[in-house]
Amino acid sequence: SQKIEQNSEALNIQEGKTATLTCNYTNYSPAYLQWYRQDPGRGPVFLLLIRENEKEKRKERLKVTFDTTLKQSLFHITASQPADSATYLCALTGSSNTGKLIFGQGTTLQVKP
Amino acid sequence: DADVTQTPRNRITKTGKRIMLECSQTKGHDRMYWYRQDPGLGLQLIYYSFDVKDINKGEISDGYSVSRQAQAKFSLSLESAIPNQTALYFCATGQRGGPPGELFFGEGSRLTVL
Repeated sequence: SQKIEQNSEALNIQEGKTATLTCNYTNYSPAYLQWYRQDPGRGPVFLLLIRENEKEKRKERLKVTFDTTLKQSLFHITASQPADSATYLCALTGSSNTGKLIFGQGTTLQVKP
Repeated sequence: DADVTQTPRNRITKTGKRIMLECSQTKGHDRMYWYRQDPGLGLQLIYYSFDVKDINKGEISDGYSVSRQAQAKFSLSLESAIPNQTALYFCATGQRGGPPGELFFGEGSRLTVL
C-alpha cells in the first residue's frame, strides 16, 4: 500500500539556522507533492507545491526539493525563526488533480531563540 | 470570519449516538472534503464531493455518511458513534482548476466518543 514517512521525532534547532525536514514515500508515483503547516489546534495551511518534473521550488525562506528516483522530498526553512515552530505535513497527489491527498504524519519543528 | 467554518468545534458524545459535523465555506469552491486526523497518523480522507450531486468515498468511509446540501455546505454524519471514531475531523475545500493539492482547511472539530 502507499506509504509516506516523515520523521516522527521533533526537530529542535536554534534560531537563524536552516531546518531540513524529510518526506519519503513508497509504492506511489505522485505527480505533485505538497507541504502544509499545521499549528496546534488549527487546520493545515498550504505552503508549497512541487511537480514531479521539478527538482526544486523556492518561496521566500522556503525551499523544497523533489527526487522521484529516491522517492524523497526535502523541505528547508532558512534563517529559521521561533514563529516557524509548527508541525509540517508532506502530502502527495496523482495526476488526476482530484484533490485527494495522501498525508504523512508530520514532523514537529521547534525553533529556539 | 473564517472561509471554512466547522461546527461544533468540540463534541463529547456516547457510544451509539448519532452525530453530525457541519461545514460551510465562503470561498466559492466546488470541491469539499472530510478528513480525519489521529495522533501520530496522517490525515485520512473520509469522503469528498465535487459538486452538489456528487459524493465519493475516501479511504476510510465505513461508519460515516455525508450530505452535500448546497455548494457551500458539506456535513459528515456518524450514524452510531463508537469510541474508535474519537479523532479530530477537518473539512477542506478546493477549487477545480486550481493548483493541484492546494486545499483550504477549517479549524477542525474534535470529537470524543465515550
